[in-house]
Amino acid sequence: DAGVTQSPTHLIKTRGQHVTLRCSPISGHKSVSWYQQVLGQGPQFIFQYYEKEERGRGNFPDRFSARQFPNYSSELNVNALLLGDSALYLCASIPGDRPRLDYGYTFGSGTRLTVV
Amino acid sequence: GQNIDQPTEMTATEGAIVQINCTYQTSGFNGLFWYQQHAGEAPTFLSYNVLDGLEEKGRFSSFLSRSKGYSYLLLKELQMKDSASYLCAPEMDSNYQLIWGAGTKLIIKP
Repeated sequence: DAGVTQSPTHLIKTRGQHVTLRCSPISGHKSVSWYQQVLGQGPQFIFQYYEKEERGRGNFPDRFSARQFPNYSSELNVNALLLGDSALYLCASIPGDRPRLDYGYTFGSGTRLTVV
Repeated sequence: GQNIDQPTEMTATEGAIVQINCTYQTSGFNGLFWYQQHAGEAPTFLSYNVLDGLEEKGRFSSFLSRSKGYSYLLLKELQMKDSASYLCAPEMDSNYQLIWGAGTKLIIKP
């Protein structure tokens, strides 16, 4: 079975531009979460979606938005890019709205975004 | 506020045992995750503790004390492939958000 897939794997953008990152969860998983990971730090929570509805939002500016589609895939959009947005963006999925004791969030390999 | 404390780096010998501690302060708590992350790769799930006590999974065990805001990950029979960062992540009860520590870089020496 395919794991969580993210595209693109790498991306270079200029300050002020817009970017869209994509995530396909594991087949059958209905919840998708987005995280930002800066080098040397732990991931920072951005959004969680379940059944196409936003379930949680982290402490990120309104330039960050996301949505989940009927097939449970998801997009993360970032407007007016800043240099500080350069990071690894991770997507994670779980089957339902809550993780299970024996089955945590499964992460994709991430999208490496560089803003110049 | 929310605060996660883990040692920045630890070194251990192949075949030995190592314990990685994590203390946390979060406004609302559901459970705690441990993840392993090799350099340049995505985090991989190790354990999820909701109740107090020790959960054993092969060479890896995880302990949680909710009242003390404390957890540890115990790795036995260390192998060179265990060299990685280990991240502690409490889960908030308000929106199921995971709050991640910066991780502990574990270096295994022969």
